[in-house]
Amino acid sequence: DAGVIQSPRHEVTEMGQEVTLRCKPISGHNSLFWYRQTMMRGLELLIYFNNNVPIDDSGMPEDRFSAKMPNASFSTLKIQPSEPRDSAVYFCASTIHGQVAIFGQGTRLTVV
Amino acid sequence: GEDVEQSLFLSVREGDSSVINCTYTDSSSTYLYWYKQEPGAGLQLLTYIFSNMDMKQDQRLTVLLNKKDKHLSLRIADTQTGDSAIYFCAESPNTGNQFYFGTGTSLTVIP
Repeated sequence: DAGVIQSPRHEVTEMGQEVTLRCKPISGHNSLFWYRQTMMRGLELLIYFNNNVPIDDSGMPEDRFSAKMPNASFSTLKIQPSEPRDSAVYFCASTIHGQVAIFGQGTRLTVV
Repeated sequence: GEDVEQSLFLSVREGDSSVINCTYTDSSSTYLYWYKQEPGAGLQLLTYIFSNMDMKQDQRLTVLLNKKDKHLSLRIADTQTGDSAIYFCAESPNTGNQFYFGTGTSLTVIP
């Protein structure tokens, strides 16, 4: 397996634009997590899905953030409208039965 | 959520052993993990230990778990400059699919 695949690796966008981050989990994994990492706040859990169903989205900063998982092999994290303070590295991770999370390489988002 | 605590920085000389410590609060943790993050990269799973184990060794890495004190440590023998990175401790409790990460310990290896 190629591991958890995230795209794009880097994204630079202007404030106010919509940003969509994508994640393909490891085949057979049934849980998927979205994390955000910044120098100031470290690693923060935004939302996680179990069997494609959102379980806990309490970490999503505000209504500008939304996440979907339409099937077991794909998830998106959308920010609309984006703001400079959203600049961070966004990681996706997947697990099977909640054990041994495997992370993607991350998407480095810069909002100018 | 659960608390996972680590010291922020550690410096060691090349060839010495490094010991990175972590404390956690959830006594129902089933798995405890160590991840390594190199600059500009994602979190790489280094090793993990089941909560019913005391120790796990994998080449230069030794994980020690003290369940009574809720203390986890990662020892890196013969530390190399390539070991310089941020090391994250994490736990997954028995109740549901969730992970709790520490703040990460930045290891600097001095040549």
